[in-house]
Amino acid sequence: GAGVSQSPSNKVTEKGKDVELRCDPISGHTALYWYRQRLGQGLEFLIYFQGNSAPDKSGLPSDRFSAERTGESVSTLTIQRTQQEDSAVYLCASSSPGQYNSPLHFGNGTRLTVT
Amino acid sequence: AQSVTQLGSHVSVSEGALVLLRCNYSSSVPPYLFWYVQYPNQGLQLLLKYTTGATLVKGINGFEAEFKKSETSFHLTKPSAHMSDAAEYFCAVSESSARQLTFGSGTQLTVLP
Repeated sequence: GAGVSQSPSNKVTEKGKDVELRCDPISGHTALYWYRQRLGQGLEFLIYFQGNSAPDKSGLPSDRFSAERTGESVSTLTIQRTQQEDSAVYLCASSSPGQYNSPLHFGNGTRLTVT
Repeated sequence: AQSVTQLGSHVSVSEGALVLLRCNYSSSVPPYLFWYVQYPNQGLQLLLKYTTGATLVKGINGFEAEFKKSETSFHLTKPSAHMSDAAEYFCAVSESSARQLTFGSGTQLTVLP
């Protein structure tokens, strides 16, 4: 596709439910990132995938959060037993292979509201 | 460890006035520095970046930023604000040894008619 695609664009869920967020990166981009943006705050790094290397999970806030990536394509971010503090916009980004200073291309995000 | 501080969460300027958005960074090695912009209801997009070479970097829409090592700063400027510049701006830093960008908390720019 032309850009990074995220779905759903909006998700409202009840506290305690599990949610799954999807990201389709730009074709050919081997690097994929998940960030979280809480209201009025900056972007918080969650997890990074690069090709077939082990992902960098250092930003995941708790074991309720997990992410997977199928090869160099789709990624899913799963949040189990959601809490109200999980409410945020979850952003996915991808970048060109082999260059750690390459610009990130962001999707429009998934706005998660936990009631 | 790398970090970014953006001074002023909200900045208002009149149309035609100078835009100055401040960014200071902390890095143990020479950094790579970025400015991203998020227009209303859109995703973040790259405005400009500094990696190596010339310290004055020009970006899209007339914006530019200057890397000042002595001040650990990378402030964003534009000589004359347009209404269409109203957006949220994020400064970000990346060290060569890091595989992720660290973002500042963002500055919301309002342009007044």
